[in-house]
Amino acid sequence: AQSVAQPEDQVNVAEGNPLTVKCTYSVSGNPYLFWYVQYPNRGLQFLLKYITGDNLVKGSYGFEAEFNKSQTSFHLKKPSALVSDSALYFCAVRDRDNFNKFYFGSGTKLNVKP
Amino acid sequence: EPEVTQTPSHQVTQMGQEVILRCVPISNHLYFYWYRQILGQKVEFLVSFYNNEISEKSEIFDDQFSVERPDGSNFTLKIRSTKLEDSAMYFCASRMDSSYNEQFFGPGTRLTVL
Repeated sequence: AQSVAQPEDQVNVAEGNPLTVKCTYSVSGNPYLFWYVQYPNRGLQFLLKYITGDNLVKGSYGFEAEFNKSQTSFHLKKPSALVSDSALYFCAVRDRDNFNKFYFGSGTKLNVKP
Repeated sequence: EPEVTQTPSHQVTQMGQEVILRCVPISNHLYFYWYRQILGQKVEFLVSFYNNEISEKSEIFDDQFSVERPDGSNFTLKIRSTKLEDSAMYFCASRMDSSYNEQFFGPGTRLTVL
């Protein structure tokens, strides 16, 4: 079965510092991995995805994620955090055989302090 | 930029009542989804819909649930007889085609069952 795990419920960083939000996955075969962000009272917004190719994926708002097959990880990163980055971040994996099913992690709340 | 819309933003109902949650997916999208997020928990897949029929559903999506695309624009989720444990945020999502594209999510409907 496909699944993702986000080991941290909350991440706190100071504005201007680099941030990392962790995600590990468990899939059979090659994974299709996604990151979404959820601002208060809003739906999930797509940030970036890894399908194949370069292990470093760049996405919206200056975010990037690194696919690491040996560690089965897909951590979300940003070199310099902004207060406006404070939100809930979800990692997701799509079922390899069924394009219709996404499995989401439990979410990580990112707090960026001024 | 086109977006998925959902109405109402908040629905309060009594246990045992029927509710219909409404979604307008992005107009040229072909695949439609419902997810739910119980407060503090992960986003869970409910159902996917393509070509006017359900293509996949989860164990959560039992006989109390149904989906419909009554016209060319709306996509609805009906809960026939609501239970307390149906209280959650319900997200609609749509996707353009069968390639590796991401899903676009609506802002959600918060359902409260009393």
